[in-house]
Amino acid sequence: AQKVTQAQTEISVVEKEDVTLDCVYETRDTTYYLFWYKQPPSGELVFLIRRNSFDEQNEISGRYSWNFQKSTSSFNFTITASQVVDSAVYFCALSESEPQNDYKLSFGAGTTVTVRA
Amino acid sequence: NAGVTQTPKFRILKIGQSMTLQCAQDMNHNYMYWYRQDPGMGLKLIYYSVGAGITDKGEVPNGYNVSRSTTEDFPLRLELAAPSQTSVYFCASSYSGTGRNQPQHFGDGTRLSIL
Repeated sequence: AQKVTQAQTEISVVEKEDVTLDCVYETRDTTYYLFWYKQPPSGELVFLIRRNSFDEQNEISGRYSWNFQKSTSSFNFTITASQVVDSAVYFCALSESEPQNDYKLSFGAGTTVTVRA
Repeated sequence: NAGVTQTPKFRILKIGQSMTLQCAQDMNHNYMYWYRQDPGMGLKLIYYSVGAGITDKGEVPNGYNVSRSTTEDFPLRLELAAPSQTSVYFCASSYSGTGRNQPQHFGDGTRLSIL
C-alpha cells in the first residue's frame, strides 16, 4: 500500500501566485517523521523540512510554509508569491521510526510545479 | 564540503554488462541508502546499510547487490544489466540513532541507460 500520496501530479501557476502541495500519509507508528524535498530541473534532491509526529505546529520559512495535521494525516506545503526559481518537483516523504523500519524513507510520487513568468 | 559523491554521473550499458555505481560520503554517517527514480515517479529504495558490514534489502532489490566494507563507501553493483534498470540512481546518507532521525543527504545522481 502506498504510504505517501501526493494526489497532484502537476501544478502550473503564474509568478506571484500562491501554490499549495498536498501530502497525505499512512502509518501505524506513533512516532514518525515527515519530510519535504525539492528536485529542481538540475536533478539534485534538496532537503526542505523535517517534522516529527509530536510537533503539530505550523512552520514558516520565508515564502515556504507547512501545515501538519495529524487528525487528517496530512502535511501540506505552501509556496507564497511563487517565483520561476520555485519550478521543480516536490516530494513528500515519511520515515517510520519503529526499529525494524531503520528510518527508511517512503516517498510520494512527487508534484511537478511550473511557475510561469 | 563534499557531502555525498556519486560516480559516474552518466553511463550507457549494453544488456548483460555489469557495472558498479560508486557512492562515498565524508560526513561520518552511519546510514546509507540507494534509490532509483524512474521517469515521473518518486524514489524507490533498493538497498540500505545501517553501518559497516551490515546491509539489507529495500523495496526493489532484484538485480542489484551492495557491500559496505567501510563507513564512507557504499557501492551498488548491477550484475547483468537489463533495460528495466534504466533509471536515475541516487545514493543518500544520514545519521540515525535511537530517538534521532536526521534528514537524508543525497548525491547528485547517476543517470544509467541500458540499451
